[in-house]
Amino acid sequence: KNQVEQSPQSLIILEGKNCTLQCNYTVSPFSNLRWYKQDTGRGPVSLTIMTFSENTKSNGRYTATLDADTKQSSLHITASQLSDSASYICVVSAKDTGNQFYFGTGTSLTVIP
Amino acid sequence: ETGVTQTPRHLVMGMTNKKSLKCEQHLGHNAMYWYKQSAKKPLELMFVYSLEERVENNSVPSRFSPECPNSSHLFLHLHTLQPEDSALYLCASSQDTERSYEQYFGPGTRLTVT
Repeated sequence: KNQVEQSPQSLIILEGKNCTLQCNYTVSPFSNLRWYKQDTGRGPVSLTIMTFSENTKSNGRYTATLDADTKQSSLHITASQLSDSASYICVVSAKDTGNQFYFGTGTSLTVIP
Repeated sequence: ETGVTQTPRHLVMGMTNKKSLKCEQHLGHNAMYWYKQSAKKPLELMFVYSLEERVENNSVPSRFSPECPNSSHLFLHLHTLQPEDSALYLCASSQDTERSYEQYFGPGTRLTVT
């Protein structure tokens, strides 16, 4: 069964600290993996997209990694800011399964001063 | 947002009401989507349209009825909803339905069914 699991479910960190969010998936055959940021009351916004051959991709203070062998991805946030408080959603798509995207339940991040 | 807009942003309706959600994309995309987002659950894809043709319907109850009059507009008509239908309804668009294209989401409509 194709699934995407994220951990932790929620996280509270101090402003300026780093954190890492995890995404494990069983989706196969793999096509790509996206990380989205969703602010409260808003729609998700794409942070990164990674294909099978990519191990790491950065977008400012956000760095995503992908290990296609172990089917794991992480999103590392450096020097967190209050505006990083949001839900972070991992989305995996598979080849040859129509247009299905598999969504994780998200990690709720709260950055406190 | 100027990319994908949704109206209304909030909606409270009784179980016997009929209402419609509207989505408009200003990105020149050919594909549009409706998603349901409930608390602590993954986003659920409801409908996919490509060039105004419905290409996917993920076993959604008939009390939800989509309409895509053109590639820039998407509606979700609601009637005789249940309290468990209360959720955030997100519209998205992409250049094409192919999986490599990024989806751009609207801000959502927060629906409460009483």
